[in-house]
Amino acid sequence: AQKVTQAQTEISVVEKEDVTLDCVYETRDTTYYLFWYKQPPSGELVFLIRRNSFDEQNEISGRYSWNFQKSTSSFNFTITASQVVDSAVYFCALTLNRDDKIIFGKGTRLHILP
Amino acid sequence: SAVISQKPSRDICQRGTSLTIQCQVDSQVTMMFWYRQQPGQSLTLIATANQGSEATYESGFVIDKFPISRPNLTFSTLTVSNMSPEDSSIYLCSVGSLGDSGANVLTFGAGSRLTVL
Repeated sequence: AQKVTQAQTEISVVEKEDVTLDCVYETRDTTYYLFWYKQPPSGELVFLIRRNSFDEQNEISGRYSWNFQKSTSSFNFTITASQVVDSAVYFCALTLNRDDKIIFGKGTRLHILP
Repeated sequence: SAVISQKPSRDICQRGTSLTIQCQVDSQVTMMFWYRQQPGQSLTLIATANQGSEATYESGFVIDKFPISRPNLTFSTLTVSNMSPEDSSIYLCSVGSLGDSGANVLTFGAGSRLTVL
């Protein structure tokens, strides 16, 4: 069975600090896809990134970066120079193929303090 | 990506009543998904709604409790039947877009926050 673990329930950092959100996944399949979604206080989930299991390159998008390591089954998300607007719940998710259901982790609530 | 309109955005309901949530998409999509997010919890898939066939329910969810309609490729409804306080949740409609390759990237509606008294 597939599983996504986000061990950090809640994190608080002061604005401008860097913060890393951890995500560990479990699957026996060799082909899978990983996601990160952001849920701001408004409630609507926003897609941030999708990564397939064959692409272990790290990705950077502005202040956001993702570190995918198959050896440790992790897909961690780092926000550099955090801002108050980054305050949200962040979900890591996993699916096995293009039409399969997406399994979400329990989420990490991030508070960026001014 | 698709734009999803979901309504009601929130409602307060009495125990034992039923409520239907509507999900309208601005483009035709094959698969629509209904998720539940209980307070402070993650998202749990209720069912996958395909046009022209019965919805596929996940373990722990049954059609009698959560009947789903999918009359066309842009619209779906989820009914929460015979509600109890345990049904108080955010219910989210989502659709997948395949994009260039790989797995569905889900786009979500804003959700319907139900409170059952």
